[in-house]
Amino acid sequence: NAGVTQTPKFQVLKTGQSMTLQCAQDMNHEYMSWYRQDPGMGLRLIHYSVGAGITDQGEVPNGYNVSRSTTEDFPLRLLSAAPSQTSVYFCASSYTRWAETQYFGPGTRLLVL
Amino acid sequence: AQTVTQSQPEMSVQEAETVTLSCTYDTSESDYYLFWYKQPPSRQMILVIRQEAYKQQNATENRFSVNFQKAAKSFSLKISDSQLGDAAMYFCAYRTLNMKTSYDKVIFGPGTSLSVIP
Repeated sequence: NAGVTQTPKFQVLKTGQSMTLQCAQDMNHEYMSWYRQDPGMGLRLIHYSVGAGITDQGEVPNGYNVSRSTTEDFPLRLLSAAPSQTSVYFCASSYTRWAETQYFGPGTRLLVL
Repeated sequence: AQTVTQSQPEMSVQEAETVTLSCTYDTSESDYYLFWYKQPPSRQMILVIRQEAYKQQNATENRFSVNFQKAAKSFSLKISDSQLGDAAMYFCAYRTLNMKTSYDKVIFGPGTSLSVIP
């Protein structure tokens, strides 16, 4: 199993550009989520999904969209990038929403100029 | 609202010694999970240990153990026989366990940077 994979590893955007961060897992996990990590802070939940076709907002959802058309994939879209979205983004998955262990991807570092 | 506090931004320990990382949290819920995650320079988030709030027994995972004090809302991590590979950022995290709603919340503390001195 590859586990949780994220692409790209690093991306530079200009203010106003859009892009999609990819996340995929091959463990047949129902629950997937996106976090951002900023310097000096812990991870903050952006959006999550409890299964294909079901998504919900986390703590900091503004400026981000998600969809879950398949169990395996959970892309995160930045509609109009802003410098405040410069961060490291982590995708995570778990077998169910109530599973206590989440498996994290390696992260995507995003720089918005 | 739930909060997670790690009061030690940086800690250091001699190789083979024991170190304890502190974590306190605030919640009005009775059922929840607590975690310690390790983040090495590779930025990968690695689960170290977890504790279910309804369990009184402290979780143990090889050299890692926790001291869970539910009434005091304290969840410290003890690393025994510290190794060079233990050097990393450690995050304490809280996850709600409310099976009656679709609401989900995961709160991470700001982290403690652990250095291991040879």
